[in-house]
Amino acid sequence: GDSVTQTEGQVALSEEDFLTIHCNYSASGYPALFWYVQYPGEGPQFLFRASRDKEKGSSRGFEATYDKGTTSFHLRKASVQESDSAVYYCALGDRGSALGRLHFGAGTQLIVIP
Amino acid sequence: EAAVTQSPRNKVTVTGGNVTLSCRQTNSHNYMYWYRQDTGHGLRLIHYSYGAGNLQIGDVPDGYKATRTTQEDFFLLLELASPSQTSLYFCASSDAGTGFSDYTFGSGTRLLVI
Repeated sequence: GDSVTQTEGQVALSEEDFLTIHCNYSASGYPALFWYVQYPGEGPQFLFRASRDKEKGSSRGFEATYDKGTTSFHLRKASVQESDSAVYYCALGDRGSALGRLHFGAGTQLIVIP
Repeated sequence: EAAVTQSPRNKVTVTGGNVTLSCRQTNSHNYMYWYRQDTGHGLRLIHYSYGAGNLQIGDVPDGYKATRTTQEDFFLLLELASPSQTSLYFCASSDAGTGFSDYTFGSGTRLLVI
């Protein structure tokens, strides 16, 4: 079945460091790919999405490029701030399914040290 | 503002107890979902629905029932609660026809089974 793998459970960085959170997926065809962010005490929030190969999604300085060749959608940010501390989820939407659902990865907790 | 509201915010029950978690959405979405969130597992889908009276089984349905009484209301039922069901539960809604970008989560219900 469809699945998403996030290899880092936790990432700790200093302010202004470069961020990469890895996301790989397993699915047939061209699924839609998403990044969500979750702040303490809240539910996950949509960050951005991409739907086709080589498409770049971006929001709030974060970006990721859909790569069908490597089945990846890695999250990057050039310079993180303390306010970026949160849990980040990569997700996959099966557009071939008549029933709308997302498959989420295990999440990566980002800790930014001021 | 469109929203997903969950109640209660926190719940404590004893093993074998009966628990109902409530979710109401004002987004006019057709799909609603129940997830549980656990460290190391991320968000796992329990049940979901694409309309009043409809129920679909998710990835971790054992020990849970759900009922969608109206387009707005989706309930998660634990009839014989067990300590393994201690978790943070999220409800979400979506109109899948928009490509999942409107997936909206509630703020969560924290359940402790003692």
